[in-house]
Amino acid sequence: AQTVTQSQPEMSVQEAETVTLSCTYDTSESDYYLFWYKQPPSRQMILVIRQEAYKQQNATENRFSVNFQKAAKSFSLKISDSQLGDAAMYFCAYMRGNDMRFGAGTRLTVKP
Amino acid sequence: DVKVTQSSRYLVKRTGEKVFLECVQDMDHENMFWYRQDPGLGLRLIYFSYDVKMKEKGDIPEGYSVSREKKERFSLILESASTNQTSMYLCASSPQGQGDEQYFGPGTRLTVT
Repeated sequence: AQTVTQSQPEMSVQEAETVTLSCTYDTSESDYYLFWYKQPPSRQMILVIRQEAYKQQNATENRFSVNFQKAAKSFSLKISDSQLGDAAMYFCAYMRGNDMRFGAGTRLTVKP
Repeated sequence: DVKVTQSSRYLVKRTGEKVFLECVQDMDHENMFWYRQDPGLGLRLIYFSYDVKMKEKGDIPEGYSVSREKKERFSLILESASTNQTSMYLCASSPQGQGDEQYFGPGTRLTVT
């Protein structure tokens, strides 16, 4: 079974600084999708960014970007110019067909 | 905006009770999912449904069943609740395409005593 590993249970960042959250996954497939989801405290989980494995170009969404290393099976999330509203649990996820796997999550704290 | 709603935010039940968790989505999505979220374990898929009356087991279906009689509604049933089913339960929906984003409900925090 595919597994998703987030090795950083907790991270903190100073407001306006940059932080990188790590994610590795295990798969023997070549065609799949990767996601980062954000779960703010007491609020619904929402999509941050999505990457298609067959695309070499790293996805970006405003202050959020990924470093997708397919051979290394690594999918890290970079948050630039961190804001207080970025404080949340972040989950890395792998999808192929209807098989969706989530990592254990990284709790991000943003210090003012 | 896609809206996924869950019937309760907090629920307290006794061991052995039958528990129903309901989820409704308003965007005509084909797929619906039930996850269980536990600290240190992330989200684990219990069941998903890709069409009315269709269901597939996820990673941890034991002790759970589901029902999807209408496209917009997906119910999770705990036939006989046990204390190890105390958890946060998240419902999600997505369109039919490959790699589509999942839209999540607010979650139900279930405590079984």
